[in-house]
Amino acid sequence: AQKITQTQPGMFVQEKEAVTLDCTYDTSDPSYGLFWYKQPSSGEMIFLIYQGSYDQQNATEGRYSLNFQKARKSANLVISASQLGDSAMYFCAMREVPDMRFGAGTRLTVKP
Amino acid sequence: DTAVSQTPKYLVTQMGNDKSIKCEQNLGHDTMYWYKQDSKKFLKIMFSYNNKELIINETVPNRFSPKSPDKAHLNLHINSLELGDSAVYFCASSLDRTGPSNTEAFFGQGTRLTVV
Repeated sequence: AQKITQTQPGMFVQEKEAVTLDCTYDTSDPSYGLFWYKQPSSGEMIFLIYQGSYDQQNATEGRYSLNFQKARKSANLVISASQLGDSAMYFCAMREVPDMRFGAGTRLTVKP
Repeated sequence: DTAVSQTPKYLVTQMGNDKSIKCEQNLGHDTMYWYKQDSKKFLKIMFSYNNKELIINETVPNRFSPKSPDKAHLNLHINSLELGDSAVYFCASSLDRTGPSNTEAFFGQGTRLTVV
């Protein structure tokens, strides 16, 4: 069964605005990791941010932050001050060692 | 140095042929994966190896056979290629640790396989 759900196939955001990409997950394992990857049109997979199941604080990496709500099993990615170069596919992933599965992805388009 | 390298980057072949994709990582990781990305961009896990041992084998046709000669290599051999095998195949690796799964997977550049 699908364990990672991204309900937004496509999102649009105006340049310089913030955008939230949704991700929910399902697991009974208390130890897991949540990740976000970016895949630009060139095709490579770029790691953005990580959140551990035991982490008390939300992860942040530059303009990226992860809104982790453990009880709701959600791990939304927030991109602040969007840039044209942020246009890409974004994948949420969950890792339960040694398994790592991905959501269906969200295509983000940043408008000038 | 490339952390996870896949060869070839592009592969065009005829139906019925047998082909291999090679993957090597120089990160000292102990877990390696193969993923298939279809035309809709969905990333599906195919196989996962930990210390050369097969851990995950999803519902993949047995025409696909992974081989891990050592921890740094995980190759994918595909027999009797079909049109539906056309996709991008990604190799990835990560470092397993006990406790929280706080290590991301590093991906290779992908191999675009086209079966004609």
